Order: sequence, then C-alpha cells, then structure tokens
Amino acid sequence: EAQVTQNPRYLITVTGKKLTVTCSQNMNHEYMSWYRQDPGLGLRQIYYSMNVEVTDKGDVPEGYKVSRKEKRNFPLILESPSPNQTSLYFCASSLGGQPTYEQYFGPGTRLTVT
Amino acid sequence: KQEVTQIPAALSVPEGENLVLNCSFTDSAIYNLQWFRQDPGKGLTSLLLIQSSQREQTSGRLNASLDKSSGRSTLYIAASQPGDSATYLCAVDTQGAQKLVFGQGTRLTINP
Repeated sequence: EAQVTQNPRYLITVTGKKLTVTCSQNMNHEYMSWYRQDPGLGLRQIYYSMNVEVTDKGDVPEGYKVSRKEKRNFPLILESPSPNQTSLYFCASSLGGQPTYEQYFGPGTRLTVT
Repeated sequence: KQEVTQIPAALSVPEGENLVLNCSFTDSAIYNLQWFRQDPGKGLTSLLLIQSSQREQTSGRLNASLDKSSGRSTLYIAASQPGDSATYLCAVDTQGAQKLVFGQGTRLTINP
C-alpha cells in the first residue's frame, strides 16, 4: 500500500530533550515536506526537500533541523524542544517536478512539550 | 507574501444539498491549487489538484474550479452526504517546489 508513515504518533516530552520524528514514504517520491498545524494559524511548512541531500527552509524553520540521506526518509529533528513547538506535525511527499503532482500526507504526530 | 483565505470557516447543511466552498489567494502567480480533506485526528487526503493552466477538475461528486486572474477557486460538492463531513483545505503552490501555502479551512457538517 502506498503510504507516508510517521513515528511516533503521539509524544510528550520536556523542554530541552532532543527528539526525532521519523517520516518514511514507499512511493519513490522526490519531494518531501514537514508541516505543523496550529489552531488559528493553520498548516505552515517547516522544511522541504526536493531530493536526497537537497533541503530548504519553509515558512517556520526556527528550532528544527532535517536531513535527507535516503530518498524514502525525511526525519524532523528538534535539538532543544520548547513549549511553543507543541503542535500537530505532518510529513508529506510527492512525485515533484513539472507539472506538479499532488502531495500525500502522513497521519500526523501530536507533540506536547512541557 | 501569498495569503490564502477560505470562507466560510464553518458550514452546516442538510443531506442531499449541493454546496460550494470558497478559496481566495492574493498572488495569482501560482503553479497549482489543491483541495484537501481532513477528518478529525487524521492526516490530509488530496481531493483535487488543478494545474495553473487548467480551469477545473472533477472527481466523482466533486468539482473544483480555478480563476487565477481573480485569485479564486471553488469546490463544488454535489448531493452531499453525512460522510462528506470534514474540514476542507485549499492550498496553493507558488514556487513549483511543493511549497504549499494553506488556507485555514472550512469545517463542513452534513446533517442526516
């Protein structure tokens, strides 16, 4: 089954404790992205990647890191989480290129930082 | 900076009605526009993708239109069903690199 998977689905952590949210897709997609969704602010892009070893900042990259060492994986790293990073996070992937293709989203990771 | 607005924020209609959801964007230089559906506690499901060169796309009971010059898109849902209840989001790609800018969504409730 074609899908985007994220782990963990739920995470409660404390301020400053490094964490990684994994994202994997099995569709051989070139493009991958991370978004966060907050009430009243909607979905905002954190980082995106157009291919292996090619990443770029989205609209809200502060406090996050990403890496794309393999085509299928795009982990999101929070080196020192803070309470304002409490949010619902989504990973997405697409075939990319032109014409542009639809994005497939993972099920989401609900993160709480206390 | 691209801004995407969806009106209304919430809509409640009886089953069987045809309805229209609206999406507007401030910068007409877009590569594509996508409509998504989000169920509570779930991820987003892509419904329709309209390329910048297209005027509309159809999938089953759904029809999406795009008017780039006026910065507007509509999602038409025919013969609505309770299973259509969800939040509907529109998003525009302004860079051709899948850098989507989302609207806040319209929360749709279909009453049996």
